[in-house]
Amino acid sequence: DTAVSQTPKYLVTQMGNDKSIKCEQNLGHDTMYWYKQDSKKFLKIMFSYNNKELIINETVPNRFSPKSPDKAHLNLHINSLELGDSAVYFCASSQGVTGVISYEQYFGPGTRLTVT
Amino acid sequence: GESVGLHLPTLSVQEGDNSIINCAYSNSASDYFIWYKQESGKGPQFIIDIRSNMDKRQGQRVTVLLNKTVKHLSLQIAATQPGDSAVYFCAEKRAAGNKLTFGGGTRVLVKP
Repeated sequence: DTAVSQTPKYLVTQMGNDKSIKCEQNLGHDTMYWYKQDSKKFLKIMFSYNNKELIINETVPNRFSPKSPDKAHLNLHINSLELGDSAVYFCASSQGVTGVISYEQYFGPGTRLTVT
Repeated sequence: GESVGLHLPTLSVQEGDNSIINCAYSNSASDYFIWYKQESGKGPQFIIDIRSNMDKRQGQRVTVLLNKTVKHLSLQIAATQPGDSAVYFCAEKRAAGNKLTFGGGTRVLVKP
């Protein structure tokens, strides 16, 4: 069973388009995240949701909008895609924010977004 | 500003030797540290973690050492194997919240 899954794995699109990436976790975790990994492998957090509430919102263009329909899902919608959005996007989940045994984050397999 | 960084971007190791990956952090308020391994085309995978009230923790073939005095974290891999070839990341968490700040990564190449 895949703990954290993302779709699609690859996404190739043109500038100006709008696209979505979906993420699901079956670990029963309360907290989910979106990360962006650039070509130099630098991993940077974008958003985090805890029980469907936004708790981390880094300096990200407002073309990026996360949506959490329930605590097992966190989707990322990107409007008006730009060349600089090309990267690998990772979803992750963890037990929660406080009072947990571990702060380990479980990562999905990633979505490679290429904007042409 | 805060940062989590690595001294060596690429580490070449002979198969069977021990590997040491170093990480420096600057935020003395960090209370939790974690190491991840990322193989090509995959997501980061948990290796080991350590809380700030400890200075050493051992796992299977891996040991994490934490020196809070000099804000230094290291990951030791014993008897490095070809399957250990990957990019390794350290990350820190501040006492408040759950946000992990990742370092820049070290690529480990295991030579047969």
